[in-house]
Amino acid sequence: GAGVSQSPSNKVTEKGKDVELRCDPISGHTALYWYRQSLGQGLEFLIYFQGNSAPDKSGLPSDRFSAERTGGSVSTLTIQRTQQEDSAVYLCASSARQGKGAYEQYFGPGTRLTVT
Amino acid sequence: QKEVEQNSGPLSVPEGAIASLNCTYSDRVSQSFFWYRQYSGKSPELIMSIYSNGDKEDGRFTAQLNKASQYVSLLIRDSQPSDSATYLCAVTNNDMRFGAGTRLTVKP
Repeated sequence: GAGVSQSPSNKVTEKGKDVELRCDPISGHTALYWYRQSLGQGLEFLIYFQGNSAPDKSGLPSDRFSAERTGGSVSTLTIQRTQQEDSAVYLCASSARQGKGAYEQYFGPGTRLTVT
Repeated sequence: QKEVEQNSGPLSVPEGAIASLNCTYSDRVSQSFFWYRQYSGKSPELIMSIYSNGDKEDGRFTAQLNKASQYVSLLIRDSQPSDSATYLCAVTNNDMRFGAGTRLTVKP
């Protein structure tokens, strides 16, 4: 079946512009996660959605970052007033079972964001 | 102390050898443990999960968990050049924490 999809695959933007990154999870997966991975670094947790519950935003690095998940499916991560340090690969993952981190997560291909 | 620690590598092994990747974690009540493989420029791919002490085998891969010592390892038997990648250890309790990864190179 179809895996997690993300769009765009690459995004180049100028410093100060806003960007929107999209994630479409595996059908039927109730949990959705956003991570950020800088070059050569590990994964940095950003935000977690579980069903209709309030999202866990504890990993968002600043108030320029926000995310929403509509209808319990597609999610959009928005970065306002982008900065060069926001340049990274943004990864989305989904999981079939409840629990913030207890179960297997399946990753999308990522969006490579470059802020010039 | 990092919550999940891995040797960054690179770890280099000859083709056909056993590659041993190690991971230690600090949260004693961690419940679930995962190994992900990440090829350069690609996203992480789940290859093993382990929840209880002992060994779990899947093909050429064996995950080993020792909760008392707070470590989890991944053995790759008969290593192939196609196994060359970064291997990420992930440990969960209420949330999933990833190690920075170990880069493995399998030389033909």
